[in-house]
Amino acid sequence: DAGVIQSPRHEVTEMGQEVTLRCKPISGHNSLFWYRQTMMRGLELLIYFNNNVPIDDSGMPEDRFSAKMPNASFSTLKIQPSEPRDSAVYFCASRTGDSSGNTIYFGEGSWLTVV
Amino acid sequence: GENVEQHPSTLSVQEGDSAVIKCTYSDSASNYFPWYKQELGKRPQLIIDIRSNVGEKKDQRIAVTLNKTAKHFSLHITETQPEDSAVYFCAARIQGAQKLVFGQGTRLTINP
Repeated sequence: DAGVIQSPRHEVTEMGQEVTLRCKPISGHNSLFWYRQTMMRGLELLIYFNNNVPIDDSGMPEDRFSAKMPNASFSTLKIQPSEPRDSAVYFCASRTGDSSGNTIYFGEGSWLTVV
Repeated sequence: GENVEQHPSTLSVQEGDSAVIKCTYSDSASNYFPWYKQELGKRPQLIIDIRSNVGEKKDQRIAVTLNKTAKHFSLHITETQPEDSAVYFCAARIQGAQKLVFGQGTRLTINP
């Protein structure tokens, strides 16, 4: 399996622009997570989906952030409008939903810089 | 909700010595505790995990111990090597929940 696939790997954008990050989970995994990593706050869970349904979005910073999962193999995280403080690495991760699937597997991350 | 505290934030040891990183968790319902290693510019990757029905688990030079009563767990790396230099994250998951809550991370540096 190719693992969790994220795109873009790197993005530099101007403040106020819309940013869309994409994720393809590991085939067969039915839980998907979006994490944000910064030096100051470490790894923060933004939102997670189970069977394509958002379960907990309490970590989404504000209304500028939105996430969707239209099907089992694709999810997006959108920031509109972007701000410099959104600069971070955004990781998507997935796991199986059964009791044996404790481990979550991370993608390579999307490195976002907002100038 | 669950809260995970990790110490120290940075750790520097001589090559060949042992390194210990400690974490505490708040929710007694947590039952799964993984450790992830993140090399510079890379994604976090699982190195070892432990469930609440086990007190210790070993994998070559790496071991994890769990004290459920005190709600803390530790990562032990013996005979450290330069390639062990990385940021290490502990995490905890509440039984029946999906999400992992991560500690703040420990930057481990192995000095030659």
